[in-house]
Formats: sequence, structure tokens, C-alpha cells
Amino acid sequence: KQEVTQIPAALSVPEGENLVLNCSFTDSAIYNLQWFRQDPGKGLTSLLLIQSSQREQTSGRLNASLDKSSGRSTLYIAASQPGDSATYLCAGRLARGGGNKLTFGTGTQLKVEL
Amino acid sequence: EAQVTQNPRYLITVTGKKLTVTCSQNMNHEYMSWYRQDPGLGLRQIYYSMNVEVTDKGDVPEGYKVSRKEKRNFPLILESPSPNQTSLYFCASTKTGESPYEQYFGPGTRLTVT
Repeated sequence: KQEVTQIPAALSVPEGENLVLNCSFTDSAIYNLQWFRQDPGKGLTSLLLIQSSQREQTSGRLNASLDKSSGRSTLYIAASQPGDSATYLCAGRLARGGGNKLTFGTGTQLKVEL
Repeated sequence: EAQVTQNPRYLITVTGKKLTVTCSQNMNHEYMSWYRQDPGLGLRQIYYSMNVEVTDKGDVPEGYKVSRKEKRNFPLILESPSPNQTSLYFCASTKTGESPYEQYFGPGTRLTVT
């Protein structure tokens, strides 16, 4: 059974700092991995999707990497801003079985302070 | 605009009073699913549907029903809600048979059962 873990559960950084959020998964046979942003009480905003054949994806100040062999993905946020404060979730889709189900981590709550 | 919509966004009800949460997508996606989100547990899949008239249980289906009579709609039915079904619910959809299987989420429905 796929399990996804995100560490740390919470993170507080000063504005302008570069930071890395970690996601690890137990089953390396994933088809893709998505990173989402969730604001308090709100829905999920898809940030980046990395397919199993890719090593990284970039969107603006965000860069996500995927290492299937080690069961890890990272989300790099450059020059963090207060508006980046949110909970970040990673979710993996298995390559076989499980249909299109996403297995989610419990998230990293990020606070960027002025 | 391509989107997944849910209604209602907020609902407070009493134990045992049947309710339906609607979900609709305008992207002609075959696959739709429901997740619930609870503190410390992350998002867990309740039910999913591979296509019209094809539905199956996810990880936490107890106390829920679904139907898929039309491709765009996938309602979640709680026949006799109980307080342990108080949660934040998300509907999601994705196009099958076509990489990268990115999943799109609705804005969420916050349900409180008293």
C-alpha cells in the first residue's frame, strides 16, 4: 500500500529565503506526482505535475524534482514571499493498480514572515 | 473555463437527515472521484467512477453512496449522516487514456453533522 510522508509538518521562514519541502513515498512504481497548494479552508490548487519519466518541472519560482529510486520528491520555492504561506500537499498516482487514485501526504504548513 | 464545481460549499445538518453533495465537471473527463480531508489524516478517497454507470469503492466508502448517470455529474450521497462524517469533501476529475492524468479538484464542501 502506497504511503506518502511529508516532513516537516510545519515550517516558518523569513521572507526572501529559498526553501525546500520534502515528500517521500513507499512504492516507487508511481506514474506521476502532483504538488498542490491549499489555503486555509480552501480547495486545492495544482502547482506542478511530474511524470515518472521526468526528473523535474519548473513553474516560475517553483521547481519540483522526482527521484523514483529513492522514493522522494522535493518542492523548491525560491525567494519566498508572504503570499506563499499555505499548506503544500504532494500526491502520487500509482503506475499499476489503484486506478487514478491519488495518495496524499498530510502536508507541510508553510508560513513566510515579513 | 475548465472547472470542477461542487454544491453546496458549506452545509450544517443533523444526524440522520439524508443529504446530497453535487459535483460537476465541464472537461468531458471520464474519471471522477470523491475525497474527504480530515486533520492529521490527509485526503482519503471515498468512491471513484471510471465512466458512466461504473463506480467503485475507495479507501473509506462506509456511510456513502454515489451514482454516475451522466458523464459530467458525480453526486455524493449520505443516506444517514453521522457526526464522524463531519469533514471537508473534495470532488476531482481527470481524463483517462491520455497522459499525464492530471487531476482537477473542486473548491470543497465543508460538512458539519451535529
